[in-house]
Amino acid sequence: AQKITQTQPGMFVQEKEAVTLDCTYDTSDPSYGLFWYKQPSSGEMIFLIYQGSYDQQNATEGRYSLNFQKARKSANLVISASQLGDSAMYFCAMRHLYSGGGADGLTFGKGTHLIIQP
Amino acid sequence: DTGVSQNPRHKITKRGQNVTFRCDPISEHNRLYWYRQTLGQGPEFLTYFQNEAQLEKSRLLSDRFSAERPKGSFSTLEIQRTEQGDSAMYLCASSFQTYEQYFGPGTRLTVT
Repeated sequence: AQKITQTQPGMFVQEKEAVTLDCTYDTSDPSYGLFWYKQPSSGEMIFLIYQGSYDQQNATEGRYSLNFQKARKSANLVISASQLGDSAMYFCAMRHLYSGGGADGLTFGKGTHLIIQP
Repeated sequence: DTGVSQNPRHKITKRGQNVTFRCDPISEHNRLYWYRQTLGQGPEFLTYFQNEAQLEKSRLLSDRFSAERPKGSFSTLEIQRTEQGDSAMYLCASSFQTYEQYFGPGTRLTVT
């Protein structure tokens, strides 16, 4: 079974500061993918970044980077130079890569509510 | 193509009524997923299709829930005999093969 844990229900950060959102995961499958999504108040889930379990380097996408520590089973999202528009819910998710069937669905954490203050 | 679309965006229904939601995926995506999200939680996976084949439906919440994707394009999710506990946001996502999933805006269901 897969499990995602996000231990920060809410965070307040000053604009332009960097922020780290924590995510730990649990799986016995060696082949998996880790995802981060942003959900603004409008409700739509926006894909941010992906990390595969066999990727040697940490993923980066613009201001987003994923701090992947495989031995610790953590996949923290780092947002550099935060902006007011970054205020939203952030969800960490995972799926197995090769199992098929129900493994193709994403398993989500409970999310972190990030508020950027001016 | 501007992304995944879902209709209606909001649905209010009385307990016991049937409801149907529609999802139109990104046109080149062959996989389509349905999720349910309740307040304060992350989305919960329900079912998915590869083209017109429904490859996983054991996660559907009860036999009142069913989904179809008859021609491998749009999909519908039906809930029969709705209950107040069915009130939630129903999200649809699509992907090309096993790559990242792109979500639609969701359908918010309120059962009174």
